[in-house]
Amino acid sequence: EAQVTQNPRYLITVTGKKLTVTCSQNMNHEYMSWYRQDPGLGLRQIYYSMNVEVTDKGDVPEGYKVSRKEKRNFPLILESPSPNQTSLYFCASSISGQVDTGELFFGEGSRLTVL
Amino acid sequence: AQSVAQPEDQVNVAEGNPLTVKCTYSVSGNPYLFWYVQYPNRGLQFLLKYITGDNLVKGSYGFEAEFNKSQTSFHLKKPSALVSDSALYFCAVRAVTGGGNKLTFGTGTQLKVEL
Repeated sequence: EAQVTQNPRYLITVTGKKLTVTCSQNMNHEYMSWYRQDPGLGLRQIYYSMNVEVTDKGDVPEGYKVSRKEKRNFPLILESPSPNQTSLYFCASSISGQVDTGELFFGEGSRLTVL
Repeated sequence: AQSVAQPEDQVNVAEGNPLTVKCTYSVSGNPYLFWYVQYPNRGLQFLLKYITGDNLVKGSYGFEAEFNKSQTSFHLKKPSALVSDSALYFCAVRAVTGGGNKLTFGTGTQLKVEL
């Protein structure tokens, strides 16, 4: 089954404790992206990747890191989480990053709470 | 900068009645426009997109959307609403040129269909 898998789905952590949210897709998609969803703000892009070893900042990259060492995986790293990073996070992928596409496939989401 | 406005936080409709979820956009040049739906505790799912051609676009689950260039709008419509259509709907825009690979989402509209 074609899917984007995120882990963990739920996480409660404390300020400053490094964490990684994993994302994996099995569709051989070139493009992957991370979004955060906050009430009243919709979805905001954190980072995206056009292909292996190619990443770029989105709208709200501060406090986050990403890597794309393999095509299928795109982990989101919070080196020193803070309470303002409490949010619902989504990983998404697309066949390519070309502008005439845009049909993103989303994971189920990871709800992160930073105390 | 590109942006999307969804002026209604919530839309209430009786089952069997037509529904409209509004979306207006701002982008330099021509837009690619999308609608996504989010069911509770799930990731977003692609509904439909406008790339070029016919202004009326048909998508999944009986939904359609009309692109109006002069009003910079892309309203989502369905002739007869179902209770199962109740969900959070997001409009998104991408610039055809000059916008990079950025897909900008609106803040979402909660659709509630009641018996």
